Amino acid sequence: AQKITQTQPGMFVQEKEAVTLDCTYDTSDQSYGLFWYKQPSSGEMIFLIYQGSYDEQNATEGRYSLNFQKARKSANLVISASQLGDSAMYFCAMREANNAGNMLTFGGGTRLMVKP
Amino acid sequence: ETGVTQTPRHLVMGMTNKKSLKCEQHLGHNAMYWYKQSAKKPLELMFVYSLEERVENNSVPSRFSPECPNSSHLFLHLHTLQPEDSALYLCASSQDYRGLNQPQHFGDGTRLSIL
Repeated sequence: AQKITQTQPGMFVQEKEAVTLDCTYDTSDQSYGLFWYKQPSSGEMIFLIYQGSYDEQNATEGRYSLNFQKARKSANLVISASQLGDSAMYFCAMREANNAGNMLTFGGGTRLMVKP
Repeated sequence: ETGVTQTPRHLVMGMTNKKSLKCEQHLGHNAMYWYKQSAKKPLELMFVYSLEERVENNSVPSRFSPECPNSSHLFLHLHTLQPEDSALYLCASSQDYRGLNQPQHFGDGTRLSIL
């Protein structure tokens, strides 16, 4: 079974509007971390935001926030006030406490396209 | 500028060639990683090093040979590659490899094409 599922292969959003990118995960660990990365066409993976499984509040970093619903095992990324530079691939990833190799497991990604 | 530098950015090689990918991190991190990103597939972890020692090897073919001479440098030596090895190879680093909340910082990647 997929550990990280991103069901939206591609999304369009109008500039200045908010957009939500979906991520669901599968783990039996109680302790885990969830990450979102942005990958522009240049190839670099840019860390955006982190949510720990025991964090009671949703993580926020500037225009990025994470809608963390633990019971539903979802960790959706919300980007507010979209900008043209937000057009990129977005990857959700998870690290589990019992994963000794500190492996980040990535989802398949969502391509976000911001329309002017 | 992420603090992780990969060279070359692009590489085209024949199946019989030998080449090396280089990664250098300026973040003072103790762990370094190699990932492979193929079209339409999630990122695949290839190797993990912590303080110059390999701690993870995800059943990678022996035609890929990593080397970590110190905690700032990581190499991936390539020989007799196959066309299916064409991909974007990403290097990353983190403070240490066990920290659950530590993000990995990635380089720009090397786009490899095998003729």
